[in-house]
Amino acid sequence: EAGVAQSPRYKIIEKRQSVAFWCNPISGHATLYWYQQILGQGPKLLIQFQNNGVVDDSQLPKDRFSAERLKGVDSTLKIQPAKLEDSAVYLCASSMGQTAKNIQYFGAGTRLSVL
Amino acid sequence: DAKTTQPPSMDCAEGRAANLPCNHSTISGNEYVYWYRQIHSQGPQYIIHGLKNNETNEMASLIITEDRKSSTLILPHATLRDTAVYYCIVRVPGTSGSARQLTFGSGTQLTVLP
Repeated sequence: EAGVAQSPRYKIIEKRQSVAFWCNPISGHATLYWYQQILGQGPKLLIQFQNNGVVDDSQLPKDRFSAERLKGVDSTLKIQPAKLEDSAVYLCASSMGQTAKNIQYFGAGTRLSVL
Repeated sequence: DAKTTQPPSMDCAEGRAANLPCNHSTISGNEYVYWYRQIHSQGPQYIIHGLKNNETNEMASLIITEDRKSSTLILPHATLRDTAVYYCIVRVPGTSGSARQLTFGSGTQLTVLP
């Protein structure tokens, strides 16, 4: 079974530029998550989708971050404009459902460096 | 805020059992305890989870105290490939009543020594 796919693996941009990350979850997984992991810290949830609807985006900086999950499969996370503090690894995860028994499977992440 | 407390680092000799502790004294009755690990430059990997009873799978065993205020992850025969950051997570219920996000703390850096 294929895992969660993310691209690109690495991205370097200058501050105030825009960037987009792509995620393809495991087939059949209805729930998709985007996490931000700053160096030395644990991942922090940015947004959660159930199919193509947003379940939780309370920690998403909406003035610069946006995410969509068209057709309830692939998802894109965008940052515009980027700030230095956005340098982090952006992780995508998916699970079959939302309940406590559903395991989250993570992709390898996209490492973003903002210069 | 993280709801779990873990030691920042631990060492273990290769081939020996690694016992990773976690305190979650404010856990609610319907919250599960999850363990994930993150090997360098990879995404977190699920290990095991439990509610009340001890659990075992091909990767590890999870021992939860009777009062559920703490738990221990046991890797029975640690190998060098088990070197990673181990996260103990209590699943936070969502506003709709269904469990949703995983709230990661800083975890425990386990180093398996040859």
